[in-house]
Amino acid sequence: DAMVIQNPRYQVTQFGKPVTLSCSQTLNHNVMYWYQQKSSQAPKLLFHYYDKDFNNEADTPDNFQSRRPNTSFCFLDIRSPGLGDAAMYLCATSKRGFSTDTQYFGPGTRLTVL
Amino acid sequence: ILNVEQSPQSLHVQEGDSTNFTCSFPSSNFYALHWYRWETAKSPEALFVMTLNGDEKKKGRISATLNTKEGYSYLYIKGSQPEDSATYLCAPNSGGSNYKLTFGKGTLLTVNP
Repeated sequence: DAMVIQNPRYQVTQFGKPVTLSCSQTLNHNVMYWYQQKSSQAPKLLFHYYDKDFNNEADTPDNFQSRRPNTSFCFLDIRSPGLGDAAMYLCATSKRGFSTDTQYFGPGTRLTVL
Repeated sequence: ILNVEQSPQSLHVQEGDSTNFTCSFPSSNFYALHWYRWETAKSPEALFVMTLNGDEKKKGRISATLNTKEGYSYLYIKGSQPEDSATYLCAPNSGGSNYKLTFGKGTLLTVNP
């Protein structure tokens, strides 16, 4: 049974057109993360929520925002996608955010920007 | 920025071969090292979490070792099978942020039947 679900799996958007990616979890974990992986590169953490506390990585562009309306759901909003934002976006969860906590990943959403 | 290196980038082996790959990371402020397996079109799946120098973990035909003093971990696969084909990612947790995993680019393993 899927524990971290991402929708859609594939998203095509136009340059500059806002897009929202969705993540939900059935694990009741406190922490939710968003990663970006560009082609042939390492997954890179964009931000994470500990409960309702939002934590932005210093180098995450302002174009990327996130919302977590409740424990189960987290959204990634890209306000004005550029061609450079085409990537795989991975959502993950962990129970407490400790260094030894396993992160559970969704299958990702592949974003194409035309 | 934490520098995590994985080598090789990719490798092709025949079914039945044993193989290994390397993850190198800064040894300072080390908390833990995670290994993940990521098959195409699936979710990355956790393999191991390792914390202590000299740690050795095993899961079926896959095992991993950890050297925190010199900053590296090896992943071994014994008798590779086609279903082992995947990208193997390592992610140390260090640098004072205990929530943050910094991933390497991964090693893409292809096992030919």
